[in-house]
Amino acid sequence: GQSLEQPSEVTAVEGAIVQINCTYQTSGFYGLSWYQQHDGGAPTFLSYNGLDGLEETGRFSSFLSRSDSYGYLLLQELQMKDSASYFCAVSANTGGFKTIFGAGTRLFVKA
Amino acid sequence: KAGVTQTPRYLIKTRGQQVTLSCSPISGHRSVSWYQQTPGQGLQFLFEYFSETQRNKGNFPGRFSGRQFSNSRSEMNVSTLELGDSALYLCASTASGGLTGELFFGEGSRLTVL
Repeated sequence: GQSLEQPSEVTAVEGAIVQINCTYQTSGFYGLSWYQQHDGGAPTFLSYNGLDGLEETGRFSSFLSRSDSYGYLLLQELQMKDSASYFCAVSANTGGFKTIFGAGTRLFVKA
Repeated sequence: KAGVTQTPRYLIKTRGQQVTLSCSPISGHRSVSWYQQTPGQGLQFLFEYFSETQRNKGNFPGRFSGRQFSNSRSEMNVSTLELGDSALYLCASTASGGLTGELFFGEGSRLTVL
C-alpha cells in the first residue's frame, strides 16, 4: 500500500521561511507533488518532482530524495495569504495510475 | 479554457438514500480521479478512470461506484448513505494521466448525510 507522513500543523511569521517535510512509502513510485488548499477552496497544484533535487517556482521550492523516500516544500518570504493547508502527494503506477495524498499540513502565518 | 466542473455543489441527504455526483473535466483531459475529503483525513482516493475504464480503486466499500462516459465526463454514486459519508467529494482531471503530478481539481460537491 501507500502511506505519507507530514506534520499536521506549522506556524511561522510573515517574511520568514518554512519547510514542510513529507516522507512516503509506496510501490511503483513515479513522483512527488505538492498542493495548496485554502479553506473552502479546491486544492491547487504547486510543484512536482519526478527526479531527485530541487525544483524552484518563485517563492516556492520543492525537493525530492528518492533514495530516502523524502521530500519537502520550502516557502520563502511568507505572506499572510500563504496561510492554507499543504498536501504532499505521491504518484504511483501500480497496475494503473493513481495519486495518493497525505493528511495535509496546516500552515498558519502570523504578522 | 473552462476548469473542472462539479455538480451539485451542495446537497443534503438522509441515511439510506443514494446520491449521484457529476464531474466534467477540462476539455481534452481523459483521466478523471475522485477523492473524498473529511477534516483531518486529507484526500482519500476513491477511483480513477481513463477512457471509460476504471484503472484504479481505493479502499472504499462497494457502495461507492463510478463510471466515465465517452466524452470523459464522470459520475460517482454512493448507495445506502451512512452518516460517515458526509464529506467533500472532489474530482480531478489530468491530461497526462497524472504522470507529471498535476491534477486539476473542481470545487467539489459537499455532501451532508442526516
